[in-house]
Amino acid sequence: QSVLTQPPSASGTPGQRVSISCSGSNSNIGNNKVDWYQHLPGTAPKILIHSNDQRPSGVPDRFSGSKSGTSASLAISGLQSEDEADYYCAAWDDSLNGLLFGGGTKLTVL
Amino acid sequence: EVQLVQSGAEVKKPGESLTISCKGSGYSFTNNWINWVRQMPGKGLEWMGRIKPSDSYTNYIPSFQGHVTISVDTSISTAYLQWTSLKASDTAMYYCVVNPGIQVWGQGTTVTVSS
Repeated sequence: QSVLTQPPSASGTPGQRVSISCSGSNSNIGNNKVDWYQHLPGTAPKILIHSNDQRPSGVPDRFSGSKSGTSASLAISGLQSEDEADYYCAAWDDSLNGLLFGGGTKLTVL
Repeated sequence: EVQLVQSGAEVKKPGESLTISCKGSGYSFTNNWINWVRQMPGKGLEWMGRIKPSDSYTNYIPSFQGHVTISVDTSISTAYLQWTSLKASDTAMYYCVVNPGIQVWGQGTTVTVSS
């Protein structure tokens, strides 16, 4: 059972904006940076956002991240069918001395 | 180009031993931590542990400590994930991950443990 809590599912129609939340605690999100990953079936996960709100080169600016206190959020604007995937947040946990992933959110584009 | 190339799929029986590999190229292998991540069938991502190739320092999260071993051979820029006695619950996809400025994942190795 993950201690980074994400909603199991989210959905939206093409062009819409959707947001995925990730709730943690002081030992992880509250004290460390958050990354977000996109995982398409049959492929390796891909980092979308690192250090709370930084997009790696090549990631569209439709994807954005934010963090406040012990929670973080991934927003996807202008939703496209190819955005249908599983999304995970991750943060270092100081108590565990290891990286924690959220349970994942399955995004469906209706 | 930074690349991690993992060894191929494995099918094993419970109790058997196994080592899977992850070969890095295009970056300074010695100076960058290598992480291992598990994904069990139908489940989410789990970070297992990591190794610092320069001195082979490792740390694992408790649920994997003592059940797997992470090691490296810097002479061939390769990291390993090893089991001495597999269980059916080890059936999963395993990824190696490195972040030398840009995060790169290996293609994954499927491990199936079944009698």
